[in-house]
Amino acid sequence: NAGVMQNPRHLVRRRGQEARLRCSPMKGHSHVYWYRQLPEEGLKFMVYLQKENIIDESGMPKERFSAEFPKEGPSILRIQQVVRGDSAAYFCASSPFRQGANTGELFFGEGSRLTVL
Amino acid sequence: GQQLNQSPQSMFIQEGEDVSMNCTSSSIFNTWLWYKQDPGEGPVLLIALYKAGELTSNGRLTAQFGITRKDSFLNISASIPSDVGIYFCAGQSSNAGNNRKLIWGLGTSLAVNP
Repeated sequence: NAGVMQNPRHLVRRRGQEARLRCSPMKGHSHVYWYRQLPEEGLKFMVYLQKENIIDESGMPKERFSAEFPKEGPSILRIQQVVRGDSAAYFCASSPFRQGANTGELFFGEGSRLTVL
Repeated sequence: GQQLNQSPQSMFIQEGEDVSMNCTSSSIFNTWLWYKQDPGEGPVLLIALYKAGELTSNGRLTAQFGITRKDSFLNISASIPSDVGIYFCAGQSSNAGNNRKLIWGLGTSLAVNP
């Protein structure tokens, strides 16, 4: 049973370009979460999605960032017009349960490391 | 946003020593989770706690859900070099609502000297 799959593992972009990060949740999981981690820092919640719905995007910057989780295919985190401050590791996690359910357990991918030159 | 107070921030210990770290919150939680993140990898769930007072072990790891429901600790006994990594606590508030996010600590970085 494959775990959460993220790609690319590493992505290099120049300022102003677009970055697209993909996440395939574990089989049977319909809840996806994106987190950002800066070097030597903790995990910062960005967005929580279910299939075709954004449930909570309170941690997402208002501009340049967007996320989707279509009916078919992986979840996508899109960063437009990247700046150097976007350089970070972006982790996707999935759960079979809705956010707020008692278990709370999340299963993480290995992350996508974005470097903006 | 809300964060947990996780301490210590970092630890450097000798192989074979025991390790203890903890997390505290200003609000009551109904779930405590402990994760480990190896360098260059994603966090992996170590132990999940769901009841106040619950004490759960996973090999050399033991975690407890505090009686007050505002804290949790993780102990690692007889540390080995592969214990190196960042340990995160995460909790779920018992505040009412359908949008209860996991709240994360900032992590405890553990280094083990062989």
